[in-house]
Amino acid sequence: QSALTQPRSVSGSPGQSVTISCTGTSSDVGAYNYVSWYQQHPGKAPKLLIYAVSQRPSGVPDRFSGSKSGNTASLTISGLQAEDEADYYCCSYAGSYNWVFGGGTKLTVL
Amino acid sequence: QLQLQESGPGLVKPSETLSLTCTVSGGSISSSSYYWGWIRQPPGKGLQWIGSTYYSGSTYYNPSLKSRVTISVDTSKSQFSLKLRSVTASDTAVYYCARLDYYNSGGFDFWGQGTLVTVSS
Repeated sequence: QSALTQPRSVSGSPGQSVTISCTGTSSDVGAYNYVSWYQQHPGKAPKLLIYAVSQRPSGVPDRFSGSKSGNTASLTISGLQAEDEADYYCCSYAGSYNWVFGGGTKLTVL
Repeated sequence: QLQLQESGPGLVKPSETLSLTCTVSGGSISSSSYYWGWIRQPPGKGLQWIGSTYYSGSTYYNPSLKSRVTISVDTSKSQFSLKLRSVTASDTAVYYCARLDYYNSGGFDFWGQGTLVTVSS
């Protein structure tokens, strides 16, 4: 299984919206609605932001939203804030109890 | 609140076996609702799923690591463990343990703080 493809970096100004894509295949992202997104600040463990493509765990602001179309999932962050600057990773179920992560995207808040 | 804590040597010699343990507290490792996983992150790089286990002892491994990995669970100690054999410098990484809510969210919802393992002579 190959890593999911994410842009290496994205950026936006405070208050703006940014979207991070996550491209897989018909064997992972395209096949299952088990796509999750994680936020990781430097030196910290990843934090679950989105699960099941578009669901937010309690405590995650509704500025974070997820979607999927075909083999590509997306994370949108609206109303960017300085504290959103972090690395973001997507993850998908790949069948047979296997999971695959994306390469990660560094978000810079200008 | 559920907590996970990794423990084990921070330095392993090439060709030897990396061994880590994750201790689960604040919740039951024997819950039928969850799996337990190991994920690693080489310095400056992305996350890689290593494998997962269930309280029953079932295990599932990343195909790229399967020949070198063993994950086991000890419900009496509320722990699960990782062994990675024949390590090389490319196995240097922060190793995380995490809970996988397979049946509901399909997400890794609780993580340990991570432990850096360096492979070097």
